[in-house]
Amino acid sequence: DTGVSQDPRHKITKRGQNVTFRCDPISEHNRLYWYRQTLGQGPEFLTYFQNEAQLEKSRLLSDRFSAERPKGSFSTLEIQRTEQGDSAMYLCASSLVVRVISTDTQYFGPGTRLTVL
Amino acid sequence: AQSVTQLGSHVSVSEGALVLLRCNYSSSVPPYLFWYVQYPNQGLQLLLKYTTGATLVKGINGFEAEFKKSETSFHLTKPSAHMSDAAEYFCAVSGGTALIFGKGTTLSVSS
Repeated sequence: DTGVSQDPRHKITKRGQNVTFRCDPISEHNRLYWYRQTLGQGPEFLTYFQNEAQLEKSRLLSDRFSAERPKGSFSTLEIQRTEQGDSAMYLCASSLVVRVISTDTQYFGPGTRLTVL
Repeated sequence: AQSVTQLGSHVSVSEGALVLLRCNYSSSVPPYLFWYVQYPNQGLQLLLKYTTGATLVKGINGFEAEFKKSETSFHLTKPSAHMSDAAEYFCAVSGGTALIFGKGTTLSVSS
C-alpha cells in the first residue's frame, strides 16, 4: 500500500500522560500536514512541513503540542500532559508541490483516534 | 481569510434519487476547492477538486461539482444515489496550503 499511514490507529491514555503519533507520508511527497478532528466537526489545521521545515502552526497548537519531521520523511506529533479536551481524531495528510503556485492536493491517512480518560 | 459553509448537516435521499450537497465558500484569493468523503472511523478520501479552468469538475464514483464564482458556491451532485454513498462529506477551501473545512454533511441513503 502506497498511501499515507498512521500509527497507532487508536490510543487510550490517562490525563497527564504524554503520547506520540507517527505519520508516514506517500513516498516523495514533500509536504506533510497534521489536522485534528473532533466529533461532529470538520478537520482543523494544526501544522505543516515542507520537507523538514515546519512552516506554519495554527493557534490550536498549544505549547503542549510539538511536531517534527526529521530528514523530511515521516513525522511525529507529540502531546504532553494530555487533557480530556485533546480527545479527537488526529489526521495526517501529504502532498507534492513542485512550484510556488501549485495545487496542493492533500491525501489523508486513516487517522489516530485519541481518547483521554 | 477563508471559510466554508455547508448547508444542511444531514441529507437523506432514496436509492436512485439525485444527491445535492451544498457548499458556499469565502476567500480573499482565488480559491482551490475540494470535496472529500469520510466513512466511519476512516480518513478522508478525495472526491474531486477545482483549481482553475473548467468550472464543472468530475470526480470519482459518479460525483461532480460546479464552481460558480458569482454565487461563491461549489455544490456536489450525483444523478443517482447508491447505498454505498452513505457517508460524511466535507467541502474544503485552500489558498495553497492548509485546507479549511466545513462542518460536514451526513448523507443517508434509504432503499
